[in-house]
Amino acid sequence: EDQVTQSPEALRLQEGESSSLNCSYTVSGLRGLFWYRQDPGKGPEFLFTLYSAGEEKEKERLKATLTKKESFLHITAPKPEDSATYLCAVQAVGGSRLTFGEGTQLTVNP
Amino acid sequence: NAGVTQTPKFRVLKTGQSMTLLCAQDMNHEYMYWYRQDPGMGLRLIHYSVGEGTTAKGEVPDGYNVSRLKKQNFLLGLESAAPSQTSVYFCASSYSMGLAGSDEQFFGPGTRLTVL
Repeated sequence: EDQVTQSPEALRLQEGESSSLNCSYTVSGLRGLFWYRQDPGKGPEFLFTLYSAGEEKEKERLKATLTKKESFLHITAPKPEDSATYLCAVQAVGGSRLTFGEGTQLTVNP
Repeated sequence: NAGVTQTPKFRVLKTGQSMTLLCAQDMNHEYMYWYRQDPGMGLRLIHYSVGEGTTAKGEVPDGYNVSRLKKQNFLLGLESAAPSQTSVYFCASSYSMGLAGSDEQFFGPGTRLTVL
């Protein structure tokens, strides 16, 4: 059974204080790992897809990396508008669905 | 481009009542999905569809039915609502399910359902 564990559950940062969120996964064969951002009361918003170990993708202050066992979402010099819950999900080879983690709730204080 | 829309946004039901949640997408996506999101459980797939006229069970299908009569619409039905179905329901769609670069799922704003 595919499993996704995200840590920490919650993270408080000061504006400008860089950090990383972790997504550990077990899957029979990884087809893709997805990162989403979810604001309160809204649906998840797609950020990145990573397909193979060593792959990296960047978007503004966010950078996602992937190894064979985990993915990191690095946040560089965060701003208050980066406050949200960040969700990680995996899709297995030949699979038809995403398995989501419970998310990391990020708060960036000004 | 409205993306993925969901109707209604909020609903309160009594145990045993029925209702239908409507999802519509205007991106010509083949694949559509229904999830529920509960505290401590993350997003879980209820049912999905790989094209017009098709449906398939996800991780937690019991108590729900779905239909995809038109490519742009995906309906989720609760025939006899139970308190355990209190949740936030999200619809999503994607262009593909296995083609790199086009398999990201786009989510709707959600429907908050309370069953008393």
